[in-house]
Amino acid sequence: ELKVEQNPLFLSMQEGKNYTIYCNYSTTSDRLYWYRQDPGKSLESLFVLLSNGAVKQEGRLMASLDTKARLSTLHITAAVHDLSATYFCAVAGNAGNMLTFGGGTRLMVKP
Amino acid sequence: DSGVTQTPKHLITATGQRVTLRCSPRSGDLSVYWYQQSLDQGLQFLIQYYNGEERAKGNILERFSAQQFPDLHSELNLSSLELGDSALYFCASSNRVGTPSVEQFFGPGTRLTVL
Repeated sequence: ELKVEQNPLFLSMQEGKNYTIYCNYSTTSDRLYWYRQDPGKSLESLFVLLSNGAVKQEGRLMASLDTKARLSTLHITAAVHDLSATYFCAVAGNAGNMLTFGGGTRLMVKP
Repeated sequence: DSGVTQTPKHLITATGQRVTLRCSPRSGDLSVYWYQQSLDQGLQFLIQYYNGEERAKGNILERFSAQQFPDLHSELNLSSLELGDSALYFCASSNRVGTPSVEQFFGPGTRLTVL
């Protein structure tokens, strides 16, 4: 059974600081996703990582994938208040496209 | 806006009742996925349909069922509702005809409250 673990589950940081969210998964997969969710809202796709060593960047967020270590990271650079949200990683199972989600990281960026 | 629509937005009902949640995928998408988000269980996959046929099943209770119709919209039926079924139910779609799709696009969700 595929398991996905994120840490930390909660992150409070000051504006301007850098931090990394970690996503570990238990079995081989070639597709890893990062989503953002604002309170009470839907899931917004941030990144799709499809191969070992993949790195994608959008604004202050950068995601990477190491399939050998079964680890993905979401790095936040110079955080701003607008980045406050819950971030989920999700892994596609080998049997199909269904996603297994991590527990989410609730990020609060304080001015 | 992902292009996936879900109705209703909110649903309040009583224990023991039955409800139907509706999802319209993005135009041209053949796959529909249903996910449940609750405080206890987090986000979990329930079921997937592809072009009208069930493709994969996750942690879906026997009291729940789904189908995908010829026009590709999908319905999730929840019966004999319990307090613990209160959650946000998301629909996602992917697999646009003619293009390989690895990304799932999520609808706005239906918030179900069982009293």
